[in-house]
Amino acid sequence: EAGVAQSPRYKIIEKRQSVAFWCNPISGHATLYWYQQILGQGPKLLIQFQNNGVVDDSQLPKDRFSAERLKGVDSTLKIQPAKLEDSAVYLCASSPGGGHTQYFGPGTRLTVL
Amino acid sequence: DAKTTQPNSMESNEEEPVHLPCNHSTISGTDYIHWYRQLPSQGPEYVIHGLTSNVNNRMASLAIAEDRKSSTLILHRATLRDAAVYYCILSGGAQKLVFGQGTRLTINP
Repeated sequence: EAGVAQSPRYKIIEKRQSVAFWCNPISGHATLYWYQQILGQGPKLLIQFQNNGVVDDSQLPKDRFSAERLKGVDSTLKIQPAKLEDSAVYLCASSPGGGHTQYFGPGTRLTVL
Repeated sequence: DAKTTQPNSMESNEEEPVHLPCNHSTISGTDYIHWYRQLPSQGPEYVIHGLTSNVNNRMASLAIAEDRKSSTLILHRATLRDAAVYYCILSGGAQKLVFGQGTRLTINP
């Protein structure tokens, strides 16, 4: 079974630029999550989708971050404009729904200069 | 979200058992206890979870105290590949995981 795919793996941008990350969850998984992990900290949930609807986006900085999950499969997370403090690893995870086990992708490491 | 407390770091030797403790004194009756681990430069990986009874799988064992206010993840025979940050997480029905700082486990050859 293929795991959660993310791209790109690494991205370097300058502050005030825009960036987008892509996630392809495990086939058939209804729930998709985006996390932000700052160096030395545990992952922090940004947004949770159930199929293509948002379940929880309480910690998403909506003035600059946006996310969508078209057709309930792939998802993109966008930052516009980026700030220095957005430097982090952005992790995507998926789960079948109904249980609690989440399967994580390898993450995208973003560096904002 | 109920909070967990874990030691910042632990060290063990290869091929020896490792006991990773977690305190969760404010756990509610519906909270599951989850353990995930994160190897260097990888996303977190599910290890094990339980509600009240002890649990075993191919990766580890989870021992849950009778009052559920603490639990211990047991790696029966540590290898160098078990070096990682281990997260103990409580989760209710919302399918939401709130990660803390975790325990950084170092395995000595």
